[in-house]
Amino acid sequence: AQKITQTQPGMFVQEKEAVTLDCTYDTSDPSYGLFWYKQPSSGEMIFLIYQGSYDQQNATEGRYSLNFQKARKSANLVISASQLGDSAMYFCAMREGQGGKLIFGQGTELSVKP
Amino acid sequence: DGGITQSPKYLFRKEGQNVTLSCEQNLNHDAMYWYRQDPGQGLRLIYYSQIVNDFQKGDIAEGYSVSREKKESFPLTVTSAQKNPTAFYLCASTLEPRVNYGYTFGSGTRLTVV
Repeated sequence: AQKITQTQPGMFVQEKEAVTLDCTYDTSDPSYGLFWYKQPSSGEMIFLIYQGSYDQQNATEGRYSLNFQKARKSANLVISASQLGDSAMYFCAMREGQGGKLIFGQGTELSVKP
Repeated sequence: DGGITQSPKYLFRKEGQNVTLSCEQNLNHDAMYWYRQDPGQGLRLIYYSQIVNDFQKGDIAEGYSVSREKKESFPLTVTSAQKNPTAFYLCASTLEPRVNYGYTFGSGTRLTVV
């Protein structure tokens, strides 16, 4: 069964507008962590934001915020004021288990239009 | 600066040959991971290691082998038993797999079977 689901294979957004990338997850572990990574065409994985399962507040990092709805098991990434440089693949991931394994979703390809 | 070094960046392998991908970190991280990424797909876990001289299979370990003789090194061997080895391989590490530390990724190795 898919543990991390990203239902949007591709998204378009106009420059300077906000965009939400969806992510739902499935786990029975009460302690887990959720991550978002950006992967440009060069292939490197760039860490964007982290949310712990016990965190009370939604995480924010500059233009990135995470809309964490624990009961719905969703962890959507919101990018405000999109820039052309935001065009990339975006991956949602969940840390689970004692081994600290990161489980990744299939990704969303974001294209920012000028 | 501390980080993860993966080498080589590009690797070509003939059918039937074994090939070893290097992953070295100078972050003093305990846990290390190998992921495979196919075009347009998310990352899938091949092997991971939490401590020296110990490692566990991930979701797609068949046709791969690893070793962890030193804390800073976690080489991945793609054997001739791997049916479709052409892919992008990423190495990652984290300081402590049981708590919520972030992950550092290498820049990846693109392996092509010719």
